[in-house]
Amino acid sequence: GIQVEQSPPDLILQEGANSTLRCNFSDSVNNLQWFHQNPWGQLINLFYIPSGTKQNGRLSATTVATERYSLLYISSSQTTDSGVYFCAVAQGGSEKLVFGKGTKLTVNP
Amino acid sequence: SQTIHQWPATLVQPVGSPLSLECTVEGTSNPNLYWYRQAAGRGLQLLFYSVGIGQISSEVPQNLSASRPQDRQFILSSKKLLLSDSGFYLCAWSAYNEQFFGPGTRLTVL
Repeated sequence: GIQVEQSPPDLILQEGANSTLRCNFSDSVNNLQWFHQNPWGQLINLFYIPSGTKQNGRLSATTVATERYSLLYISSSQTTDSGVYFCAVAQGGSEKLVFGKGTKLTVNP
Repeated sequence: SQTIHQWPATLVQPVGSPLSLECTVEGTSNPNLYWYRQAAGRGLQLLFYSVGIGQISSEVPQNLSASRPQDRQFILSSKKLLLSDSGFYLCAWSAYNEQFFGPGTRLTVL
């Protein structure tokens, strides 16, 4: 099956810093989503982005489907950005998501 | 707007006891429904998915089963819990590719 690799596994930032999280996948996809898991475990949808670029406030994402990677940018990080960020993909006509292992982000005040 | 509910939020059960977790979706019709488990650590693993009432596909062999008795209701069950069933169980729904997750149930088997 498809493999999803996220990097870095852990990231520690000072408040106000910018960061880039990466997601590599091993095959073509028709669905790519970024999630933020907060300290209570809730998975919050950030982007549905099988290709192209999207922005939402301080967050933006780019997926280059032909090169099989996606990037999540966080600018001017805040302590509330802390948590685990997951990339998940689906192939072909399937809606079954395969998750990466996540990037654990800690933003210190 | 669509809303997804899960209950209970937390559960502590002894080994060998039965399990029933419920997930319901509001505000949409004929959604695809999913059960995922997140074990200690971070990864999420798809357990079951359903494209309609009574239609269940299992992704991994395990001690669990799923049922969909109504269009917007998805139930995860076990007849006898194992220690290895402990984890965080998340229900999700989708209509047009994008999936949305419920708040989850944290299960501890002692």
